[in-house]
Amino acid sequence: DIQMTQSPSTLSASVGDRVTITCRASQSISTWLAWYQQKPGKAPKVLIYKASTLESGVPSRFSGSGSGTEFTLTISSLQPDDFATYYCQQYDTYWTFGQGTKVEIK
Amino acid sequence: QVQLVQSGAEVKKPGSSVKVSCKASGGTFSIYAASWVRQAPGQGLEWMGTITPIFGTADYAQKFQGRVTITTDESTSTAYMELNNVRFEDTAIYYCARVRAAGISYFDSWGQGTLVTVSS
Repeated sequence: DIQMTQSPSTLSASVGDRVTITCRASQSISTWLAWYQQKPGKAPKVLIYKASTLESGVPSRFSGSGSGTEFTLTISSLQPDDFATYYCQQYDTYWTFGQGTKVEIK
Repeated sequence: QVQLVQSGAEVKKPGSSVKVSCKASGGTFSIYAASWVRQAPGQGLEWMGTITPIFGTADYAQKFQGRVTITTDESTSTAYMELNNVRFEDTAIYYCARVRAAGISYFDSWGQGTLVTVSS
């Protein structure tokens, strides 16, 4: 099974900050990686797929990069609506999620 | 944009079975695939399994093999997830999600979630 490891588990930041979350795969997954945002009591919502492609309707302050085993999600200027938990997901071989990164207000 | 609407909350006794439904409106699963993901209280997301109707196949996470069955009814655009022999640790929110393309792809739409509580 492919394991996905996110870091950090929790991140404290302020509105306007640039935020970066890292996701590592236990083996190469090419660019078969998606990022999701989940708010309390809500279902996850896809932000980015194929490592760097922005889903329709997602603000351009979100971006993704990486290939192989190392990936990043960047929020260029954190907005109040962005405080949430973020998950990476590989879809190279079946599906596996990272453990999540909670972005909190500093 | 497809909307996925799931059935309501369930309370089950240990050893029983639970079946959750997920109806697609404004779209279908027939040319895509339907997955089920669960989230235990305060925990992360866990993939359980995926059915791809166009291929007639269902794949399950090893952890749930033999205990979960995912099916679809194309006539009603509904996917189902049945979990047998439930345990206290199966208490979780269960989500259905549409897979963006038949085969392996990301999840582009999600249901609202169904809380399953296992309690004696």
